[in-house]
Amino acid sequence: DAGVTQSPTHLIKTRGQHVTLRCSPISGHKSVSWYQQVLGQGPQFIFQYYEKEERGRGNFPDRFSARQFPNYSSELNVNALLLGDSALYLCASSYRDRGTGELFFGEGSRLTVL
Amino acid sequence: GENVEQHPSTLSVQEGDSAVIKCTYSDSASNYFPWYKQELGKRPQLIIDIRSNVGEKKDQRIAVTLNKTAKHFSLHITETQPEDSAVYFCAASPTNTGTASKLTFGTGTRLQVTL
Repeated sequence: DAGVTQSPTHLIKTRGQHVTLRCSPISGHKSVSWYQQVLGQGPQFIFQYYEKEERGRGNFPDRFSARQFPNYSSELNVNALLLGDSALYLCASSYRDRGTGELFFGEGSRLTVL
Repeated sequence: GENVEQHPSTLSVQEGDSAVIKCTYSDSASNYFPWYKQELGKRPQLIIDIRSNVGEKKDQRIAVTLNKTAKHFSLHITETQPEDSAVYFCAASPTNTGTASKLTFGTGTRLQVTL
């Protein structure tokens, strides 16, 4: 079985631009979460979606948005990019929205904002 | 919200020695505590986890202990090997609040196992 897949793996944008990151969860997993990992730090929770509904939002500005599709894949959108948005964006999937807690992470999308 | 502190930030041990990484958390509602290993340029991978109804869990050379009263938990690696070299993250989550995927991570410990 394929693990969590993310695209693109690397991308470079300039300040003020918009970016869309994509994630396909493990087959059968209905919950997708997004995390931002700045170099040298632990991942920070951005969003969780379960059955296409937002179930949690971290402390990120409204420039960050996400959605989940009927096939449980997900997109993370960031508008008006700032230099500080440069980070590794990790997608994680799990079977349920509560109870098990175990997350399976993708390899991430490394965003560089110039 | 939850705050997780992790120490030390770097740890160097000789092959065969033990390594201990410690974390504290602030939210008494947290009841799920996973540990992730992240090699350079790779995804975080779950190596062991513990729930609040258990005080200790062991998996071969890796063990985790939890003290809910003191709000701290620790990772113990015995007989370290060079392939254990990586960054280790602790995390905490309240799994019964509808946001099981909302993990709060520590800042990481870079473990270096030298020959």
